[in-house]
Amino acid sequence: KNQVEQSPQSLIILEGKNCTLQCNYTVSPFSNLRWYKQDTGRGPVSLTIMTFSENTKSNGRYTATLDADTKQSSLHITASQLSDSASYICVVSVTTDSWGKLQFGAGTQVVVTP
Amino acid sequence: DADVTQTPRNRITKTGKRIMLECSQTKGHDRMYWYRQDPGLGLRLIYYSFDVKDINKGEISDGYSVSRQAQAKFSLSLESAIPNQTALYFCATSDPPLGVPETQYFGPGTRLLVL
Repeated sequence: KNQVEQSPQSLIILEGKNCTLQCNYTVSPFSNLRWYKQDTGRGPVSLTIMTFSENTKSNGRYTATLDADTKQSSLHITASQLSDSASYICVVSVTTDSWGKLQFGAGTQVVVTP
Repeated sequence: DADVTQTPRNRITKTGKRIMLECSQTKGHDRMYWYRQDPGLGLRLIYYSFDVKDINKGEISDGYSVSRQAQAKFSLSLESAIPNQTALYFCATSDPPLGVPETQYFGPGTRLLVL
């Protein structure tokens, strides 16, 4: 069972509208959580990284929140643009002895329509 | 990210064939990774290397092998390809600064189809 669950699996939004993506995780011990954007045919690109002590992080029109107590994160996209059409992947870093191994969610596919 | 390149970008092969996927990076990073991505699943780690002399298995290494020829090059081999190895393969690199979460930089991916 995937320890990083994302919802919804996909969504369609009108250009200019806002949307929120959800991520629930069960991995432990938790080190940090990041959101990646993956355009079709491309590799994932990091949007935000939050440690357990941070509860919000912004990158332009993208704002991520983290509740480490409930193990939930969200990614909010403001005033969506056509270029926001992509898969958004929640990634949790698990602390090990030597490095932070990454656990990837399956992603939320976002389609922005004119 | 153009600093991490993968070849080939697309490959069709037959069951039982040996194939190699190559990854090169110009970022000067010591750490390199191979992942596979399947529809409906998150990326899964196949192998990783923290330097030229260091090779480690990931969570799904069976049926795969790797070679770290240089700091900049990390190759993934499928010794005898099977259809369930059909997937999108990504190479990634990182160079974690002290005390700060590391960022992995991904290549564009190789789409592999095993018939």
